[in-house]
Formats: sequence, structure tokens, C-alpha cells
Amino acid sequence: KQEVTQIPAALSVPEGENLVLNCSFTDSAIYNLQWFRQDPGKGLTSLLLIQSSQREQTSGRLNASLDKSSGRSTLYIAASQPGDSATYLCAGGANSGAGSYQLTFGKGTKLSVIP
Amino acid sequence: DGGITQSPKYLFRKEGQNVTLSCEQNLNHDAMYWYRQDPGQGLRLIYYSQIVNDFQKGDIAEGYSVSREKKESFPLTVTSAQKNPTAFYLCASSIAHTDTQYFGPGTRLTVL
Repeated sequence: KQEVTQIPAALSVPEGENLVLNCSFTDSAIYNLQWFRQDPGKGLTSLLLIQSSQREQTSGRLNASLDKSSGRSTLYIAASQPGDSATYLCAGGANSGAGSYQLTFGKGTKLSVIP
Repeated sequence: DGGITQSPKYLFRKEGQNVTLSCEQNLNHDAMYWYRQDPGQGLRLIYYSQIVNDFQKGDIAEGYSVSREKKESFPLTVTSAQKNPTAFYLCASSIAHTDTQYFGPGTRLTVL
């Protein structure tokens, strides 16, 4: 069964810095990987989805990469802003034990961008 | 406005009671999901539905029930058999089962 790990659990950076969030997964037969943002007490907002056939996806200041062979994905945030402060979750999509596609979530990295 | 709505935002339940959480979407998505989030934990899948009148158990379905009578609606009932129901419940939908999932704002359930 897929396991997803995000390290570190929390990260604090000064405004303007470029940063990388890490995600690792155990099942290399991943179908796709999704990155989400969650603000305190709110639902999740989808940021990027990378299909297994892709190496990276970009949206504005965000760039996500996927390396199936090493079981890793990264989310790169350029020129961080205080508004980027949130918890970032990655989720790997793969076949569950029952044979159906299922997203498995990491516990998230809580990002604080200091003005 | 297109999106996913969940109600109520906060819900309090006495022990032994069943409660139903509402989830509605007007995105014309076929697939819908219910997740549970506990502090410091990743989201865990309770139930999902790929099409009307069909649904499947997720990893933690015990003590929960769902229905999918309409494409737009996927209510979740937390039964008295769920021993530790206090959590943040999130509903999501996607065009198809393997596509990007879009989430509602969540319902926080507290057992008194």
C-alpha cells in the first residue's frame, strides 16, 4: 500500500526566498501526484497535478517535479511571499489494495514566510 | 458560482446519535469523495463514488454510511457505531476518478 512522507513537518523562511518542499512515496507504480494547499480551518486548494508520464508542471511561481524511479516529488516556490504561508500537502494516486485508484496523502509541511 | 458546498460548518453530536453531513457540487463532476482529517494526520478516505447510485468503501468506512442518489449530492452519515467521530470532514469531487480533486470548505464535527 502506498505511503507518502513529507519532510520537514514545518519550515520557516524569510520573504523573497526560493524554497523547496519535499514529498516521497513508496509505490513507484504511481498514476499521478497532486499538490494541495490548506489554510487553517479550511478545505484543500489544488495547486498542481503531475501525471506519471510527466517530469514537471508549472503554475506561476510554483513548479512541481516528479521522479518515479526515486519515489520523490518536489514543489518549488519562487520568491516566497507572506501569503504563501499555509500547509502544503502532497498526495500520490495509485491502485489501492482493492485494485481501484486512490489518493494517499502525506501529513503536510507547514510553511511560514516571515515578512 | 461553481464549486462544492458543505454544511453545516460546525456540528455537535451527543454520544449515540447519528448525524448527516451534507456535500453538494455544481461542477458536473462524476466522482465524489469523503475524507477525514485528524490533527497532525494526513487525510484518510472514508467513501468514494465514481457514478450515481454506486459507491465504494475507503480505508476507514466502519461507522459511516453514504448515498449517491443524485450526481450533485453525496451525504455522509456518521453513525453511533463510529467510536471516535470528532474530526474535520472534507468532501471532494473530480471530473473522473483519476483527475484533480476539488475540495469543499469542510465540516468540523465534535462529539459532546
